[in-house]
Amino acid sequence: KAGVTQTPRYLIKTRGQQVTLSCSPISGHRSVSWYQQTPGQGLQFLFEYFSETQRNKGNFPGRFSGRQFSNSRSEMNVSTLELGDSALYLCASSLSPAGNQPQHFGDGTRLSIL
Amino acid sequence: GNSVTQMEGPVTLSEEAFLTINCTYTATGYPSLFWYVQYPGEGLQLLLKATKADDKGSNKGFEATYRKETTSFHLEKGSVQVSDSAVYFCALSPLSSNTGKLIFGQGTTLQVKP
Repeated sequence: KAGVTQTPRYLIKTRGQQVTLSCSPISGHRSVSWYQQTPGQGLQFLFEYFSETQRNKGNFPGRFSGRQFSNSRSEMNVSTLELGDSALYLCASSLSPAGNQPQHFGDGTRLSIL
Repeated sequence: GNSVTQMEGPVTLSEEAFLTINCTYTATGYPSLFWYVQYPGEGLQLLLKATKADDKGSNKGFEATYRKETTSFHLEKGSVQVSDSAVYFCALSPLSSNTGKLIFGQGTTLQVKP
């Protein structure tokens, strides 16, 4: 069974640009969550999607947005990039958004802002 | 609010030593608790979980018991190997029927020397 697939693995952008990251969940998983990982802030929740609806959102500015498609694949977009957006962005999927369901993570997209 | 506190690392052990990584949490009600492991250049892998008080999660020789009275979920392994060197994250999912959002501790780096 294929795991969570995130593309691309690495991205280099400059300040002010925008970027779109993609996540394909495990087959059959309908819930997708996104996390930002940085050395200073650790792992922080961005948002959660289920059945194409955003169920939960973390404390990030409106420049961070996402969506989920009918096949459960998800994308997140960051506009007007800032140096502080440099991070590893992790996507996780689960069968449902229930709290006792384990999240399965992809290997992440490493975003570097110059 | 909900939070997770882990012991600071790095933790450096010799091969075959006993491992304990402390984790305590603050949450309302009975959250689900998880341990994840991250190897260099990879995403997070679920190591074990416990969803109610006194549950013991176990996997690959690692164990952790959900202690409601001490709000703890300490990770233990009887004999560590060099291949266990990684970053370990304790996480909770708040009690809720409609979210899988994870709140992570800051992570503990484990280095095992031959």
